[in-house]
Amino acid sequence: GAVVSQHPSRVICKSGTSVKIECRSLDFQATTMFWYRQFPKKSLMLMATSNEGSKATYEQGVEKDKFLINHASLTLSTLTVTSAHPEDSSFYICSASRPGLAAPGQYFGPGTRLTVT
Amino acid sequence: TQLLEQSPQFLSIQEGENLTVYCNSSSVFSSLQWYRQEPGEGPVLLVTVVTGGEVKKLKRLTFQFGDARKDSSLHITAAQPGDTGLYLCAGASKSGGSNYKLTFGKGTLLTVNP
Repeated sequence: GAVVSQHPSRVICKSGTSVKIECRSLDFQATTMFWYRQFPKKSLMLMATSNEGSKATYEQGVEKDKFLINHASLTLSTLTVTSAHPEDSSFYICSASRPGLAAPGQYFGPGTRLTVT
Repeated sequence: TQLLEQSPQFLSIQEGENLTVYCNSSSVFSSLQWYRQEPGEGPVLLVTVVTGGEVKKLKRLTFQFGDARKDSSLHITAAQPGDTGLYLCAGASKSGGSNYKLTFGKGTLLTVNP
């Protein structure tokens, strides 16, 4: 199956700093990537849809100025958590969509555990 | 807003037992996917069902898509400790162009005790 990587896998940062998380599709070009947030033992909550070469589409309630998304190439999307606070601590997961499939082909990365102290 | 109700949320059973997880919605989805997720990892796709009434089997796992494409079930036969994990259903709907957006159910945390 398709491979999606995320970096870093774990990050600890101090309150008020910014953290960048990278999501890469390793063996296909992803025109669309998705960013999710997941709390312990809970389901995935879609934060935003990242489209290559255009602005991301944010879900209701997600602050676009706090969670900056950049999809500069067909294989890389980044999520930057700006001015992080302890309540931003969570598991962030990206997925990449393989275009042209009859059924959606979203392949998920391994996730990034963010802890804000 | 499309919602997927997944039940049960928690399930703890003994090895060898059978179980069924349900995913229901009032909305029609173009397809439905089932994922399994282990702690600290991303979800792994188990199956995609597309056609109403479709049944797919993956070893001891049987997946059904309702005739109206609004609901789905996952049945596990003779569960094993290795089946332990978070099972997620996700309904796909078009979000513009050829792209799809996934709406996830709340998940079922399955524990199979030896």
